[in-house]
Amino acid sequence: DAGITQSPRHKVTETGTPVTLRCHQTENHRYMYWYRQDPGHGLRLIHYSYGVKDTDKGEVSDGYSVSRSKTEDFLLTLESATSSQTSVYFCAMGHPEGGELFFGEGSRLTVL
Amino acid sequence: KQEVTQIPAALSVPEGENLVLNCSFTDSAIYNLQWFRQDPGKGLTSLLLIQSSQREQTSGRLNASLDKSSGRSTLYIAASQPGDSATYLCAAYSNSGYALNFGKGTSLLVTP
Repeated sequence: DAGITQSPRHKVTETGTPVTLRCHQTENHRYMYWYRQDPGHGLRLIHYSYGVKDTDKGEVSDGYSVSRSKTEDFLLTLESATSSQTSVYFCAMGHPEGGELFFGEGSRLTVL
Repeated sequence: KQEVTQIPAALSVPEGENLVLNCSFTDSAIYNLQWFRQDPGKGLTSLLLIQSSQREQTSGRLNASLDKSSGRSTLYIAASQPGDSATYLCAAYSNSGYALNFGKGTSLLVTP
């Protein structure tokens, strides 16, 4: 059991289309994160959540929104996808202050 | 903002060599530092977590050290194997931030 899963794993969409990525965890972690990974930039934080309905922005949050209605689910939404949002998106869980972060397998998004 | 740098960006060594990967960070007020491994097309796997009160952590052939005063961490891999080929990422969590800040990684190739 991976403990944290992402869906979909791969998606191709067109510019201007809304896209939602889902992150699901079974470990009851309070903190969850969305990162994007791009060549030359490494991993950058998009948004994070510190509890149900409690979210905050990261360093690259423009064009993204998130929601967390249940502890186990953290959704990332691109309201109107752009080509610059083509990336690999990673979800993570765990509180970095106290311990390790655990990552999902990633969702590869291509915006044409 | 915590800046994390990893040197070298890429490294190729023959099997059996001992090697050191370097990580530096700008904010010495860190809670912890975590090393990850990432295989192509995969998520991040946590290797070692060093809390700010610790100087090193060991797991099998891996040893990670932390020197907060100099802003540096090293990952030592003993007796490298082809299966160690992957990208290694370090990430620091400081008390001036809210999430892990990542370096861009070192791509390691161990040749038979």
